[in-house]
Amino acid sequence: QQPVQSPQAVILREGEDAVINCSSSKALYSVHWYRQKHGEAPVFLMILLKGGEQKGHDKISASFNEKKQQSSLYLTASQLSYSGTYFCGTARGSTLGRLYFGRGTQLTVWP
Amino acid sequence: DAGVIQSPRHEVTEMGQEVTLRCKPISGHNSLFWYRQTMMRGLELLIYFNNNVPIDDSGMPEDRFSAKMPNASFSTLKIQPSEPRDSAVYFCASSSLQGSDTEAFFGQGTRLTVV
Repeated sequence: QQPVQSPQAVILREGEDAVINCSSSKALYSVHWYRQKHGEAPVFLMILLKGGEQKGHDKISASFNEKKQQSSLYLTASQLSYSGTYFCGTARGSTLGRLYFGRGTQLTVWP
Repeated sequence: DAGVIQSPRHEVTEMGQEVTLRCKPISGHNSLFWYRQTMMRGLELLIYFNNNVPIDDSGMPEDRFSAKMPNASFSTLKIQPSEPRDSAVYFCASSSLQGSDTEAFFGQGTRLTVV
């Protein structure tokens, strides 16, 4: 039930855009996005709920297509600080605490 | 708030020894999660508690692993006996709801090496 993320790795120049995709074979209730820097803990970015709207802050936003069981994370005008590994976590129900995390997408932003 | 606090940060132990990892969740949070992260398997949920009660332990790999939450401010994950394949980073996370609707706050993790 682990979601599939693509691509596995992305290399960007500062200022370029990137899209990270997350797809599941199961119906989803929510999708969570986290970023983890090397040697640190994952840090929450945003959550998308079934029936909810696209969310985002600053230049990072995300969408959730419930019918396709897919979510995409959009990073616009990337900054050096965006480098890290991005994980999507999926939940199948509101009362289920279990999150299934994808294998991650490693994003590297060069100056 | 100091965030989720885990101890120790690093643990090196010999195969066969007992290992205990500790976690203090954020005050007021009623859900606590233990995750294991490896290169091969990524982030795996081992067990999660809600209001100190284990709700789902289906991710616990085998009987050598056990977890307790005696009160709202403390949880332990024990491995006995430990094996080299248990080497990983173990994260504890907490959230204010059951996790599906809100963010989880992760601790800094315990890097376990079993030799």
